[in-house]
Amino acid sequence: DADVTQTPRNRITKTGKRIMLECSQTKGHDRMYWYRQDPGLGLRLIYYSFDVKDINKGEISDGYSVSRQAQAKFSLSLESAIPNQTALYFCATSDPRLAGGMKTRQYFGPGTRLTVT
Amino acid sequence: AQTVTQSQPEMSVQEAETVTLSCTYDTSESDYYLFWYKQPPSRQMILVIRQEAYKQQNATENRFSVNFQKAAKSFSLKISDSQLGDAAMYFCAYPTGAGSYQLTFGKGTKLSVIP
Repeated sequence: DADVTQTPRNRITKTGKRIMLECSQTKGHDRMYWYRQDPGLGLRLIYYSFDVKDINKGEISDGYSVSRQAQAKFSLSLESAIPNQTALYFCATSDPRLAGGMKTRQYFGPGTRLTVT
Repeated sequence: AQTVTQSQPEMSVQEAETVTLSCTYDTSESDYYLFWYKQPPSRQMILVIRQEAYKQQNATENRFSVNFQKAAKSFSLKISDSQLGDAAMYFCAYPTGAGSYQLTFGKGTKLSVIP
């Protein structure tokens, strides 16, 4: 979905380095999410935010932190990267103002491929 | 715990044929929504189809349709007239968590289309 962008698209970093993945959206949605995808495991929720002042841990938040700088921006940080954080990371948004089932639909960014060596 | 199960890690289908991908889920909710997402090699997550649980009628989007069995908690995706561009990972998902704001995903089914 071109309205949700992620930078960088690919990143290789070394163990112990701090790294930030950024997500921006022009959809005007209040809710934003960070997921991690590993082969054979599907997508797992890391953190989610309902608005700038409401940030919540997901299923696998250990080793990660987030910052919601504005309605449109939601960043994911790895304070000290480790090899098992090598994965594909997705940002997503949703709009609870939509009617019915559409409020739970999520719109995904293109993903960031992160490799920790 | 609420879970989603896709029992077929990989499937293949001949071009122009029909294939069905299975998904079962476990929820205590009475009103919810179910989704199938497609992830082609470009890795973009694309919504294929959604089903509202309180609707009896199965959802259809062009060549894609679902077989929704609420009592059995089953949500299968049928792809008719398969095309080479259908080759992708397919994930089923449904909303979980307080207020149903999160999505829980299955582990995915990799679909190959044979020319």
